[in-house]
This record gives sequence, structure tokens and C-alpha cells, in this order.
Amino acid sequence: KNEVEQSPQNLTAQEGEFITINCSYSVGISALHWLQQHPGGGIVSLFMLSSGKKKHGRLIATINIQEKHSSLHITASHPRDSAVYICAVRLVGGATNKLIFGTGTLLAVQP
Amino acid sequence: GAGVSQSPRYKVAKRGQDVALRCDPISGHVSLFWYQQALGQGPEFLTYFQNEAQLDKSGLPSDRFFAERPEGSVSTLKIQRTQQEDSAVYLCASSIQQGINEKLFFGSGTQLSVL
Repeated sequence: KNEVEQSPQNLTAQEGEFITINCSYSVGISALHWLQQHPGGGIVSLFMLSSGKKKHGRLIATINIQEKHSSLHITASHPRDSAVYICAVRLVGGATNKLIFGTGTLLAVQP
Repeated sequence: GAGVSQSPRYKVAKRGQDVALRCDPISGHVSLFWYQQALGQGPEFLTYFQNEAQLDKSGLPSDRFFAERPEGSVSTLKIQRTQQEDSAVYLCASSIQQGINEKLFFGSGTQLSVL
């Protein structure tokens, strides 16, 4: 069993829909990252969370430390949001910023 | 440059060939990470440098894999006697400090195909 699980693995949405991607983890963490990866492109860091909620534009990320769960929400989705969204965690007590990654959620937003 | 730069962007190697992958981190970034991403999978940690010191190489899959960062800036990941299972995207990431929650900046990766 992976230490970081994401759901769904694949998601197709219509433009304008509200999207939720979930991440659950089984280890103690000090921080959780949400990352975006476009096909053939590099990875872009969207959020870094250790508690609560963060918002940037149409993106919202929440984390519940007690339940070991985080969600990434996209409001008013757009085709340019199509990408792989990856959840990654940093283990508590870790000496470095080494991350453990989920397998990603492939999002396709159709016009 | 403004971001993390990796070269080559694509590399095709014959089985048994040695390859070298280069990473130019953002200038001044202390921490540098190498990750391996197999098709359809999330990245997996390979190794970590703080300046020129390789502090963690626990993710290197075999002794065929070797990484260096001799002057604390550019890093090279070398794979000797490549095998088909080495085919993956190799990602480099850097952060400005070794702090616990520093933002990571990723390169676009080198896609290695071993035939």
C-alpha cells in the first residue's frame, strides 16, 4: 500500500465545473504539497500546507491533520487546468525536504 | 536562467551504455534533489545534496547510479551500464535553503529511454 494515495486517478470535467481531488496519507507529516504537472512539462508547486486552508486564484487546498487527508479544489474549471495533479508529503522528523509522492490525478477539462 | 534547467531534454541509450544527466539549479539554491518518475507513477526520491555534500543517497536503486555536485551548483546524475528498467523521466528540483518547508522548484526533466 502506498503511503500517499490519491483519488480519483482520472477525472474528466466540463468547463466551469467545481473539481475536487483528494489525498490521503498513512504517515506522520510536517507538510503536504500540491503540485501540477503538464504533459511533457516540469512540475510546478501550487501549495505547501501544514494546517488549515490556502487559496490562490481559483485553487483552494485544505488539510485535516487528524484525519490525514487533504483536498485540492478548482473552481470554475477551464481547459487550461488540464494536467496531472500530484500530492506529496514531507515526513515528520525528516532532516530534509525529501518528499513522498502520490501517483497523481490526471484531470481533463473539456470545453 | 530563471528556473531549474535540465539537459538533455530527451536521451535515448542502448542497453549497456553509460549516460550523464545534467541539472542547473536556480542560482544560490542550497538544496538539490533528484527524483525518478516512471510512466504513470509519481516521482520517487533518488538523492539529495546540500551544497556540494551528498547528504542522502538512500533512493539510488543500484550502484550503477551515481550523482555529484562538486562545486555546489550544477549536478550530474550518471547511470552506468543502463538497463531497460532505467527508462523514466529524471527530475531535478532545488530549494533556496535546507529549511523544512522551503518551496521546491522543479526542472522539466530528462526523459531517458533505454532500448
